Amino acid sequence: EAGVAQSPRYKIIEKRQSVAFWCNPISGHATLYWYQQILGQGPKLLIQFQNNGVVDDSQLPKDRFSAERLKGVDSTLKIQPAKLEDSAVYLCASSLRWGEASTEAFFGQGTRLTVV
Amino acid sequence: KQEVTQIPAALSVPEGENLVLNCSFTDSAIYNLQWFRQDPGKGLTSLLLIQSSQREQTSGRLNASLDKSSGRSTLYIAASQPGDSATYLCAVRGNYGQNFVFGPGTRLSVLP
Repeated sequence: EAGVAQSPRYKIIEKRQSVAFWCNPISGHATLYWYQQILGQGPKLLIQFQNNGVVDDSQLPKDRFSAERLKGVDSTLKIQPAKLEDSAVYLCASSLRWGEASTEAFFGQGTRLTVV
Repeated sequence: KQEVTQIPAALSVPEGENLVLNCSFTDSAIYNLQWFRQDPGKGLTSLLLIQSSQREQTSGRLNASLDKSSGRSTLYIAASQPGDSATYLCAVRGNYGQNFVFGPGTRLSVLP
């Protein structure tokens, strides 16, 4: 089966600019996650969707970050305006609906963002 | 709030050694625990998933154990190879559909 697809793989922007990331989860996976991974640290959840509804966005900096999952499939994560501390790898993951099977999570290759 | 730690932070071993990576979590009310591998500049590859009712899972040279009551999991790698060099992350998921909480990872180097 196809894995989680993310684009772009790399992005360099200046501070105060905006940027958007795209994720296409594994077919049939109702749950989608966006994680932020700063160099040398474990990933930290930004937002979790179940279909097109938000389950958890408690750690999303809502003054600058936004995410949507229209139609419950693809998702986009946007940062506007970007700050230097947003430099990180942004990982998208998906799993089956909560309560189904093993709910194993599968991750994409990530988008490496550098803010200069 | 769930917190996950991993020891050691980094490990360097000669090829062929058996090794153990440790993961500890503060809240034992977990749904499952997953071990991942991350190569430099890459995403996360799932290695093993252990449900809360299980004690261990095995895949090839990898064996993961879970002791929920003590809040610990170990990843055992047998006969290590240079290709095993990567960062290993553990992540736990709570009982109520919560997201995965990750540890900081163990950076493993296996020397030829």
